[in-house]
Parts: sequence; structure tokens; C-alpha cells
Amino acid sequence: SAVISQKPSRDICQRGTSLTIQCQVDSQVTMMFWYRQQPGQSLTLIATANQGSEATYESGFVIDKFPISRPNLTFSTLTVSNMSPEDSSIYLCSVGFSGGGNQPQHFGDGTRLSIL
Amino acid sequence: GDSVTQMEGPVTLSEEAFLTINCTYTATGYPSLFWYVQYPGEGLQLLLKATKADDKGSNKGFEATYRKETTSFHLEKGSVQVSDSAVYFCALFPTGRRALTFGSGTRLQVQP
Repeated sequence: SAVISQKPSRDICQRGTSLTIQCQVDSQVTMMFWYRQQPGQSLTLIATANQGSEATYESGFVIDKFPISRPNLTFSTLTVSNMSPEDSSIYLCSVGFSGGGNQPQHFGDGTRLSIL
Repeated sequence: GDSVTQMEGPVTLSEEAFLTINCTYTATGYPSLFWYVQYPGEGLQLLLKATKADDKGSNKGFEATYRKETTSFHLEKGSVQVSDSAVYFCALFPTGRRALTFGSGTRLQVQP
């Protein structure tokens, strides 16, 4: 397994600003993912963070709005850009391993973001 | 594409009652199946998993059996506690994908 630390744990931001969320893992992992959980909803995959290259975004999510970095095998950032109240959500970092279906993903505690 | 369907909540039970949360899936292959739990204010924790048909995953008194014939992975617990109050998510790895797809989640409220 892996221990995942996300920062900040929560924030309240003004409309039109940007916030960068950090995800640090205590060991090298094959894959890192970012999910969004809107209030009372399930988790939706935003993108897969690829080490040393551009992230792979899911349908409905774009790099200009959610730029992602992954400079090494233990760290990634997600930026939520030009925020609006609709971006108020929990953002979760998750890590996966090369074993695929036999090795479950692990999650950080999430960043609770409120936009005023 | 592959997907997961969960029963809607909230599910409200008295302490020591029997719990079932239904989960069915649609998949082109035989995906690994998972149950995650999210306690208030926390992230997701893996509760149990099953990687092939007829496997039974179990943890903390919870059980789920991978039923290929009914494409189901229902979560059960014989006697719930107040501390089990949380949101439960059923999930799978879609065919050819390496990130989990989740069901809508089911909120469980256990009353003393």
C-alpha cells in the first residue's frame, strides 16, 4: 500500500482565482490519478497524471482548466484555474500499481474546496 | 462502456440490523470488483475486493461475493454498528482502463 498526503486539506477561495493542490506519496507508484467528487455525488476521474509528460484527460476535462504536473514517481499537483462556484468539490488524489486489477487504488483524504 | 449501478440511499438501519447494499455491473470482460468506504470528512478506504468469479471478499465483518451469472457484487454485514455510518462505493476497473470507475455511492446511517 501507500500513504498519500494531500495539501491543503480544505480551502475557501474567491471566484476567478486558482488553487494548486499537492499530492505526495511515501513510495514510488506507477500511476497517479485525480478525481473530483461534487457535493453528494460519486467520484469522477479528471485525469491520469503521467510522469514527465502531459496528463491524460477524461472527456469533459481540459488542461487549461485543470493543469496537472507529475515531475517524479511520488509527487503530483492539480491546479483548479479561474474558479467558479461550480468547482466547489472534493478533489482526491489516487495512486495505482502495475498489478492492475489485483492491486486496488489508494486514495488521499482529499481537498475540500469551496468557491465564494 | 463498463459501469456500476448501486442502490440509492440513504439506507437507515438500527444497530445490529442486517445490511445489504446492492451493486450490479456491466462489463465486457471479467473485471476486478471493489467496495470502498468514505467516512464523514475523510477520503476513500478500500473495504474489500474480489478479482474473479465466485471470489468472496471480506473485511471488518463485511462480505461481498463476485457473482458472474447475475453480474452482482452485493455488500453484506450481519450486524451493523453506529460506527459503520458512511458512504459505500462499489467500483471496478473498466476493460482496458487502469483507473477505477465508481458507482453512485450509498449512504448508510445506523441509529443506536
